[in-house]
Amino acid sequence: AQSVTQLDSQVPVFEEAPVELRCNYSSSVSVYLFWYVQYPNQGLQLLLKYLSGSTLVKGINGFEAEFNKSQTSFHLRKPSVHISDTAEYFCAVNRGGFKTIFGAGTRLFVKA
Amino acid sequence: EAQVTQNPRYLITVTGKKLTVTCSQNMNHEYMSWYRQDPGLGLRQIYYSMNVEVTDKGDVPEGYKVSRKEKRNFPLILESPSPNQTSLYFCATSGGPSTDTQYFGPGTRLTVL
Repeated sequence: AQSVTQLDSQVPVFEEAPVELRCNYSSSVSVYLFWYVQYPNQGLQLLLKYLSGSTLVKGINGFEAEFNKSQTSFHLRKPSVHISDTAEYFCAVNRGGFKTIFGAGTRLFVKA
Repeated sequence: EAQVTQNPRYLITVTGKKLTVTCSQNMNHEYMSWYRQDPGLGLRQIYYSMNVEVTDKGDVPEGYKVSRKEKRNFPLILESPSPNQTSLYFCATSGGPSTDTQYFGPGTRLTVL
C-alpha cells in the first residue's frame, strides 16, 4: 500500500536559519509528489510539485525540494526562513490515479 | 477570482441529526474531492468525483454520502453523524486527478456532540 511518512511532527527554528522538512514515501511505481502549506485557519495551497524531469524543484516563497528516487524521499528546504513561514506543511503522493495520499503534516515554528 | 467555497465554516450538531456541507467551485474543474483532517493523521480522502454523476469512495467513506448533480457543486452529506466524525473537512478541486494542483476550500469545522 502507498504511504507517506513525514519524519518530524514539529520543527522549531529561528528566523533566518535554514530548514529541512523530511518526507519519505513508499511506492513500487513512479509517483507524483507534492508539498502543500496550510497557514492558520486556512485551506491548503500548493508550494511545489514534482512530476518528472529535474529532481530539484523550486516552488513559491523560496522553498525547494529534491526528489530522490533511490531513497524514496522528497525533502523540502528553505535556506532562510521568516516568521511568516510558520505553518503546517504536508507532503503528498499520487501514483497517477484518483487518490492523493497525504502525510500527517509537519508544524514549522519560526521563532524571532 | 478562482474560488472554492464551503458552507458552513463552523457547525456544532448532535448525534443523529442529518447535515450537509456544501462545496462550490468557479474554476470549471472536473475533479473534486472531500478530505477530513485530524491531528496526527493528516488529510484523508473521503470521496471524490471525476465528473457530473461520477463519484467513488476514498479511504474513509463510512458514514458519508456525496452527490455531483452539477459540475460546480459537490456536497458532503452526513445522514446520521456520530462523535467520531468530529473533524475539520476540506473540499478540493483540480482540473485532473493526479498531476494537477488541488485547490482547497477554507474548511468546515464540525463538532458532533
